[in-house]
Amino acid sequence: GIQVEQSPPDLILQEGANSTLRCNFSDSVNNLQWFHQNPWGQLINLFYIPSGTKQNGRLSATTVATERYSLLYISSSQTTDSGVYFCAVYGGSQGNLIFGKGTKLSVKP
Amino acid sequence: NAGVTQTPKFQVLKTGQSMTLQCAQDMNHEYMSWYRQDPGMGLRLIHYSVGAGITDQGEVPNGYNVSRSTTEDFPLRLLSAAPSQTSVYFCASSSDYWTNYGYTFGSGTRLTVV
Repeated sequence: GIQVEQSPPDLILQEGANSTLRCNFSDSVNNLQWFHQNPWGQLINLFYIPSGTKQNGRLSATTVATERYSLLYISSSQTTDSGVYFCAVYGGSQGNLIFGKGTKLSVKP
Repeated sequence: NAGVTQTPKFQVLKTGQSMTLQCAQDMNHEYMSWYRQDPGMGLRLIHYSVGAGITDQGEVPNGYNVSRSTTEDFPLRLLSAAPSQTSVYFCASSSDYWTNYGYTFGSGTRLTVV
């Protein structure tokens, strides 16, 4: 099946810094999503981005499907950005999303 | 508010007990699924449903049953709880089976089996 790898596994930032999170996947996909799990456990859909670039405020994402990777950019980070960021791709055979293991982001004031 | 509602939020079970985790959505989504989240493992699919009356197994189905009698509800049953089922359980729904576009998660159920 499709493998999804995220890097780095952990990231500590000072408030105001920028960061880039990476997601590599092992096969071609027609769906890629980024999620944020906040410190209270809630999973929030950030982007549906099978290809191209999207922006939402301080967050943006780029997927290069032909090279099998996606990047999530966080600019001017805030403490509320802390949590775990998951990349997920559509697995196809079971109609489910296959998740990476996540990047745990800690933003210090 | 529209969304996915899970109950209970927390539960402690003794080994061998059974229980049902409830999941309901009011967005008229056809596709619903259950995941479990364990430290260092990400989220893994337990069971899923593409519509009322249709369910199928995911990656880690053993020890769990599901049914889908209505579009809105997708309960997950633990038949005989084991400590290995200690986890956080998430229910999710989507309007589009083929892309999972607009995937929405419930707030989770934290289950401890002692």
